[in-house]
Amino acid sequence: GAGVSQSPSNKVTEKGKDVELRCDPISGHTALYWYRQSLGQGLEFLIYFQGNSAPDKSGLPSDRFSAERTGGSVSTLTIQRTQQEDSAVYLCASSQNRDKFYGYTFGSGTRLTVV
Amino acid sequence: DAKTTQPPSMDCAEGRAANLPCNHSTISGNEYVYWYRQIHSQGPQYIIHGLKNNETNEMASLIITEDRKSSTLILPHATLRDTAVYYCIVRLLGAYGQNFVFGPGTRLSVLP
Repeated sequence: GAGVSQSPSNKVTEKGKDVELRCDPISGHTALYWYRQSLGQGLEFLIYFQGNSAPDKSGLPSDRFSAERTGGSVSTLTIQRTQQEDSAVYLCASSQNRDKFYGYTFGSGTRLTVV
Repeated sequence: DAKTTQPPSMDCAEGRAANLPCNHSTISGNEYVYWYRQIHSQGPQYIIHGLKNNETNEMASLIITEDRKSSTLILPHATLRDTAVYYCIVRLLGAYGQNFVFGPGTRLSVLP
């Protein structure tokens, strides 16, 4: 597609439920990143995928968070047993490769609200 | 990676130049300066980057001091649509993830 697509754009869930957030990167982009942004805060790195290499999961805040990237394209971020502090905008970005940093394109994000 | 310091907010009159400063006093010789902006409800958007020479593109100009300890992003003729949070980031070319840190940025308000 023309840009990075994320779905849903908004998600309200009850505390304790699991949620899945989806990211469709730009076609041909081998690198995919997940960030989250809490209200009024800067971006917090979560996880990075590059091609078929093992992902860098060092930013995931707890074992309730996991992510997959199937076929080197679409990625799903899963949050299990959601907590109120998980409420944030979750942003996905892709780039042709990690050295082409200025080709780093973000999606519009998924606003997650845990009630 | 070096950390950056930016003012939390700035105002600019529509049609005037917006000059957004950034301090990066601990920048290393092979770290680049990048600027992104985030308009409300959208993902961050790349603006410009540079190493040591001043740079200009269709969106903005980047002025980097000779000692590289600070830089200024210039929007030459600010419009209401330039109202956004502007992030100054320093990083190694090819770095990612934890090495790529977005601070709180500068909230620029362009006023009519």
